[in-house]
Amino acid sequence: DTEVTQTPKHLVMGMTNKKSLKCEQHMGHRAMYWYKQKAKKPPELMFVYSYEKLSINESVPSRFSPECPNSSLLNLHLHALQPEDSALYLCASSQGRAGGQEAFFGQGTRLTVV
Amino acid sequence: GEDVEQSLFLSVREGDSSVINCTYTDSSSTYLYWYKQEPGAGLQLLTYIFSNMDMKQDQRLTVLLNKKDKHLSLRIADTQTGDSAIYFCAESRNYGQNFVFGPGTRLSVLP
Repeated sequence: DTEVTQTPKHLVMGMTNKKSLKCEQHMGHRAMYWYKQKAKKPPELMFVYSYEKLSINESVPSRFSPECPNSSLLNLHLHALQPEDSALYLCASSQGRAGGQEAFFGQGTRLTVV
Repeated sequence: GEDVEQSLFLSVREGDSSVINCTYTDSSSTYLYWYKQEPGAGLQLLTYIFSNMDMKQDQRLTVLLNKKDKHLSLRIADTQTGDSAIYFCAESRNYGQNFVFGPGTRLSVLP
């Protein structure tokens, strides 16, 4: 099983809403990531969790709040987003420092902020 | 992706070989990757190569790495219409703490 599962696949939210994106993997990977991808651009790193601790925050605005409840799950809580936050949000996982470096991505959540 | 460079477009005829090139800047990168992205989809890991290797072959895919020139290439043999997609080169930094992507090469396969 090399699958990273993201839900929902699509999300439309208003600027005053609170919503959450979810990501799950069962490969035993200890590093999990959130990336943001705008149209016709490469993915850009937002957050990295290593062994369930936040290890990298790429100066992401506080309206994005990550959470790693356990080694298999990663959430991204959204609050008071702006229309420019509309993008494809990709979750990824890898073995991290501990071992090999295969990194798998989910299918993404396409977020539209209205 | 400003530290990883790729040509933006490539067109080939069905059945020909495709070669997608990438240059990177971080000589300490331990792994280099090729991902495929179809419209509206996530990233599919195609293959990756450890930095102490110079070649890796996996069915129709051949990866060549020139570490001295920091140049990576992906060759797709017998290219099919289903290979039409955007191909991203990526490098692993900080022992996998970050994956930095190139801008992507849009491969178009003509019948």
